[in-house]
Amino acid sequence: IQMTQSPSSLSASVGDRVTITCRASQFIHKYVNWYQHKPGQAPKLLIYAASTIQVGVPSRFSGSGSGTEFTLTISGLQPEDFASYFCQQSYTTVFTFGPGTRVDI
Amino acid sequence: DVQLVESGGGLVQPGGSLRLSCSASGFTVSNTYMTWVRQVPGKGLEWVSIIYPGGNTYYADSVKGRFTVSRDNSNNTVYLHMNSLRPEDTAVYSCARSHSGIFHDFDCWGQGTLVTVSS
Repeated sequence: IQMTQSPSSLSASVGDRVTITCRASQFIHKYVNWYQHKPGQAPKLLIYAASTIQVGVPSRFSGSGSGTEFTLTISGLQPEDFASYFCQQSYTTVFTFGPGTRVDI
Repeated sequence: DVQLVESGGGLVQPGGSLRLSCSASGFTVSNTYMTWVRQVPGKGLEWVSIIYPGGNTYYADSVKGRFTVSRDNSNNTVYLHMNSLRPEDTAVYSCARSHSGIFHDFDCWGQGTLVTVSS
């Protein structure tokens, strides 16, 4: 299963609403997870099962979608949110990841 | 604190072998789905292997027959045994823990260890 993401990068300002889209090459129900990745750090789980927010993650992060199209939304971008974000499907045992979206100032 | 620390990476010649370790603290690997992923610098993540709590193991086609994942419960460590290494196996290898055995969302990742396959 191939995962594509759009856009590959974007520029935004503090306070902006940002939406990142992930598309699967076939039906994956809601088996999508979202991560934030900063240079030199391990990825951080944000959203699992397409829309369930991980404990400790700020509520400005939200996920939606089902089937083949999924979105990660950041409502009110904060300075610490400038990072890369990627999706992962776990519908099949051969997990696959999206190529990532870099969010720049 | 839940933590994963990888070790064992390095420079190896094509056709050689290497064993990576993923040492866990703060939880028990025997009760957890543990995954290995890799990333070529500048490229996306690639799933490599997973070991289930019951011991079942699965592999990406690109490493099947060459890599083996195992677990040492007494040391709370997961290993990735890599044989017949190829230049295209060069990557940073990381281990990760599944938060859910259904959605396999990785809530804890190691920092990774670099494997370079080159003559």
